Amino acid sequence: DAGVTQSPTHLIKTRGQQVTLRCSPISGHKSVSWYQQVLGQGPQFIFQYYEKEERGRGNFPDRFSARQFPNYSSELNVNALLLGDSALYLCASRATGTNEKLFFGSGTQLSVL
Amino acid sequence: DQQVKQNSPSLSVQEGRISILNCDYTNSMFDYFLWYKKYPAEGPTFLISISSIKDKNEDGRFTVFLNKSAKHLSLHIVPSQPGDSAVYFCAAPQSVQGAQKLVFGQGTRLTINP
Repeated sequence: DAGVTQSPTHLIKTRGQQVTLRCSPISGHKSVSWYQQVLGQGPQFIFQYYEKEERGRGNFPDRFSARQFPNYSSELNVNALLLGDSALYLCASRATGTNEKLFFGSGTQLSVL
Repeated sequence: DQQVKQNSPSLSVQEGRISILNCDYTNSMFDYFLWYKKYPAEGPTFLISISSIKDKNEDGRFTVFLNKSAKHLSLHIVPSQPGDSAVYFCAAPQSVQGAQKLVFGQGTRLTINP
């Protein structure tokens, strides 16, 4: 079975641009979450989506948005990129009714120049 | 406000010896904890967890200890192997505004020396 898949693996953008990151959860998982990991820090929660609805959002500005599709895949969009948005963006999925264990993808490394 | 803290950014251990990674938390509402391991260019992978109703959970070479009164947990790896070299994160689930999120520590980079 395929795990959580993310694309692209690496991305280079310039300040002010917009970026879209993609994620496919493990088959059967309806919950998708996005995390940002800055070098030297642990992952920070951005969003959780469940059944195509946003269930919660972390302390991130409105420049960050996401959506979930009927097949439970998800996109994370970041507008008006800042240098500080450079980070590893991780997608995670979780099966309904299980414990709190998340399964993570390998991430998208975003560099903003 | 760092609710989960890993105060050692790095740890170096001889192969075959015990590795002990520490984690402290401030939120007394946390009742479940997870350890994740992360290799470069990969996402974090689940390693072991513990519920607050227990003070120890063991899985092969990995044991997690929980001291609720001290709000402290530790991960023991015995014996340590070169493949254990990775960044280890301690995390706790938290419900916020209807969302289930994991609150992570800063991570500890473990290096196992041959």
